[in-house]
Amino acid sequence: EAGVAQSPRYKIIEKRQSVAFWCNPISGHATLYWYQQILGQGPKLLIQFQNNGVVDDSQLPKDRFSAERLKGVDSTLKIQPAKLEDSAVYLCASSLAAGLSYEQYFGPGTRLTVT
Amino acid sequence: AQKITQTQPGMFVQEKEAVTLDCTYDTSDQSYGLFWYKQPSSGEMIFLIYQGSYDEQNATEGRYSLNFQKARKSANLVISASQLGDSAMYFCAMRAVMDSSYKLIFGSGTRLLVRP
Repeated sequence: EAGVAQSPRYKIIEKRQSVAFWCNPISGHATLYWYQQILGQGPKLLIQFQNNGVVDDSQLPKDRFSAERLKGVDSTLKIQPAKLEDSAVYLCASSLAAGLSYEQYFGPGTRLTVT
Repeated sequence: AQKITQTQPGMFVQEKEAVTLDCTYDTSDQSYGLFWYKQPSSGEMIFLIYQGSYDEQNATEGRYSLNFQKARKSANLVISASQLGDSAMYFCAMRAVMDSSYKLIFGSGTRLLVRP
C-alpha cells in the first residue's frame, strides 16, 4: 500500500513570508497528525485530526499556524508569518484510529528553512 | 508529568554485535504504550516495535527486542547482530492519555553508528 505522502520535501523562505505544506495519509486512516521536529530533538505534536475534526491542537501556535483537513482525507498546514524559530522538519503521520496501540505511519517530512 | 528520557546522545557498535539503547519513562497512568522508531538520514520515522503496559512478555520483532521493566519504568531497545544499515537516530516514544486524548511523546533520541 502507498505510504504517507508529503510535499514539498524542502522549502526555503524568508522570515515573515507564508508557507504551506500538504499531506496525504494512508487510505482509510481516520487519524492524521502533524509534528514539528527541530534539529536534535524528537518530534513534537502540533495537531491531531480525527476524520475532519480537530482532536488536539493544544501545542499549535495558533497566532501563526493553521491546519485543516476539510474532507477527512488530505491535510494542509500553514505558517503565516514565518519566524526563524520555525525552521524544522514538519512530519505528517496517520493511523487507522487514535487508540493506545495503533501504530502511526510517518511521511518523509518537509524540511523548512526560514532565513 | 508524562516524560520520555533517552540518556545516550550517541552510541557506537561493531557490525554483527548486539547493542542496547536506553529509554526510561515517567507516567502515572496504568495504561500506556511504548514505541521505538528509527529515523535514517532520509528523515522518515520507521516504526520498529511496540510494547503495551499490560503485556507480560517482552516484545520482539526480528532483530529488535524490547526489554520492558515496568517497575523500573524502562523500555530499552536491543538490536541483535547489528548491520551497517542500522546506523540512524532511534527514538523511544510513549503513548498515553494526556488532556483527554491519546498523545505520542518522544524522547530526544540516540544516534547509533555501526562500525564495519
